[in-house]
Amino acid sequence: ELKVEQNPLFLSMQEGKNYTIYCNYSTTSDRLYWYRQDPGKSLESLFVLLSNGAVKQEGRLMASLDTKARLSTLHITAAVHDLSATYFCAVNLNFGNEKLTFGTGTRLTIIP
Amino acid sequence: DSGVTQTPKHLITATGQRVTLRCSPRSGDLSVYWYQQSLDQGLQFLIQYYNGEERAKGNILERFSAQQFPDLHSELNLSSLELGDSALYFCASSDGTGANSGNTIYFGEGSWLTVV
Repeated sequence: ELKVEQNPLFLSMQEGKNYTIYCNYSTTSDRLYWYRQDPGKSLESLFVLLSNGAVKQEGRLMASLDTKARLSTLHITAAVHDLSATYFCAVNLNFGNEKLTFGTGTRLTIIP
Repeated sequence: DSGVTQTPKHLITATGQRVTLRCSPRSGDLSVYWYQQSLDQGLQFLIQYYNGEERAKGNILERFSAQQFPDLHSELNLSSLELGDSALYFCASSDGTGANSGNTIYFGEGSWLTVV
């Protein structure tokens, strides 16, 4: 059974600092998704990573995928308050469908 | 706005009752997914339909059922409701062909279900 683990679960950081969220998964896959969720809101797609070594950047967020290590990272550069949210990674394992197995989420709070 | 529309946004119902959640996918998307989000279980995949046919099944209870209609909208039916069914139910869609296409999967705003 595919397991997806994120760490840390909770993260408080000061504005302007850099930090990384880690996503580990238990079974080989080369399709990994990152989502953002504000409290009680929908899941907003951030990145779709489709191959080993894939790196994508959008603003202060950068995501990477190492399929050999079964690890994805979401790096936050010079954090700002607007980035406060819960971040989820999700892995797709199965050919023929796009069922996502989600991690537990990382609740990020940016402190001014 | 992801383009995925869900109704109702909020629903309060009693134990033992039955409810139907509705989802309209993004224009042109053939795949519809249902997820449940709760505090204790996190985000759980329930079921996927592709162009009217069931494609994948996850942790969906026998009391729950879903279907996708010819116009591609989908409904999730929850029956004999229990307190533990209280959760946020998301519908998502993609234009995935089902062939490992790696398309973005877009989520709706969700339907908040409270069972009392």
